[in-house]
Amino acid sequence: DIVMTQSPDSLAVSLGERATINCKSSQTILFDSNDKNYLAWYQQKPGQPPKLLIYWASTRDSGVPDRFSGSGSGTDFTLTISSLQGEDVAVYYCQQYYNTPYTFGQGTKLEIK
Amino acid sequence: QVHLVQSGAEVKEPGSSVKLSCKSSGGAFNSLAFSWVRQAPGQGLEWMGGIIPMLGTTSYTQNFQGTVNITADESTSTTYMELSGLRAEDTAIYYCVYDNSGYLKSWGQGSLVTVSS
Repeated sequence: DIVMTQSPDSLAVSLGERATINCKSSQTILFDSNDKNYLAWYQQKPGQPPKLLIYWASTRDSGVPDRFSGSGSGTDFTLTISSLQGEDVAVYYCQQYYNTPYTFGQGTKLEIK
Repeated sequence: QVHLVQSGAEVKEPGSSVKLSCKSSGGAFNSLAFSWVRQAPGQGLEWMGGIIPMLGTTSYTQNFQGTVNITADESTSTTYMELSGLRAEDTAIYYCVYDNSGYLKSWGQGSLVTVSS
């Protein structure tokens, strides 16, 4: 199974500042034939199901604010929130779908400083 | 937009089984794929398995091989997840998800299963 490791486990950022979450896979999740990274990011607020933010490592889902961006390739990926808003307080997960079983990172808890 | 509505909370005794349902709307059911993901209290996300109704194929993670059975009923646009041999550690929220080529596009509201004697 592909192991996904996020860092940090928790993060406190001031409103309006940048937040960066990292995700590393134990093997490449870049499929050579289509040059796509099989990585998604989710946001989960308390008491709610997760919400898809980003897929193919850098494509924002419909309705996701453009302050959210994804980058990286191969085994190293980053979710960036360019200017933190209060409603961004949540746990963030990365997930690989390069093969089954799909696997998630352990989550990063984002709080306001 | 695919919308998923799951069945309600369940309380089960150890050793018993639970069968959860997930009704889909807003998409051509037979062309979709679905996954089930569980989340234990205060913990992260764990993919259990999935189904492609059109192909009739299922895939399960090794942790759940032999204990989970995922099925689909095209006539009612509903998928089901049955978990047998319940243990206290199976207490969790179980999510049904629209699986779009691997990324999990739309999530049901979740079904809480509590295993307790």
